[in-house]
Amino acid sequence: GDSVTQMEGPVTLSEEAFLTINCTYTATGYPSLFWYVQYPGEGLQLLLKATKADDKGSNKGFEATYRKETTSFHLEKGSVQVSDSAVYFCALRGGGSNYKLTFGKGTLLTVNP
Amino acid sequence: DVKVTQSSRYLVKRTGEKVFLECVQDMDHENMFWYRQDPGLGLRLIYFSYDVKMKEKGDIPEGYSVSREKKERFSLILESASTNQTSMYLCASKGSTDTQYFGPGTRLTVL
Repeated sequence: GDSVTQMEGPVTLSEEAFLTINCTYTATGYPSLFWYVQYPGEGLQLLLKATKADDKGSNKGFEATYRKETTSFHLEKGSVQVSDSAVYFCALRGGGSNYKLTFGKGTLLTVNP
Repeated sequence: DVKVTQSSRYLVKRTGEKVFLECVQDMDHENMFWYRQDPGLGLRLIYFSYDVKMKEKGDIPEGYSVSREKKERFSLILESASTNQTSMYLCASKGSTDTQYFGPGTRLTVL
């Protein structure tokens, strides 16, 4: 079945540091890939997505590129801020489903001033 | 603006009680979902509904049931709550695009 593996946290960075959160996946067909973010005390919200190989999703300074050859969708940001502190979830929607998202376990990011 | 609301942010129940968690969306979305979120396990799908009165089991439906009598409302029911159902419960809805919109969550504690 479909699965998502993302790097274990927690990740602690200083403000303006470079961020990478690794995400790899296993899926049948041609999945769509997502990063969701959960700020403290809130539900998840979509951060970015990519629907086909070599697509790059971007939002709020975050980027991720859909790499079919390495089955990866790593999240990056060049300069993190304290307000980026949150839990980040990588997810996929398998090619055979219109509905179901499969999530990774989440990575807690803490950014210190 | 998109809005998914859940009836309670925090809930404390006793073992054996029947528990109702309510979710309402105002976007006229066809699809609605219930997940539970546990540390180290991420989000796991309990049930989803793709239309009124239609439902499908997710990955962990045991011990839960759902009801969707109106398009905007999707209820999760714990028939007889147990301590291993202590968790954060997240509702989401989805329209014709790929994006799921989440509510703020209900943190349920079963004593």
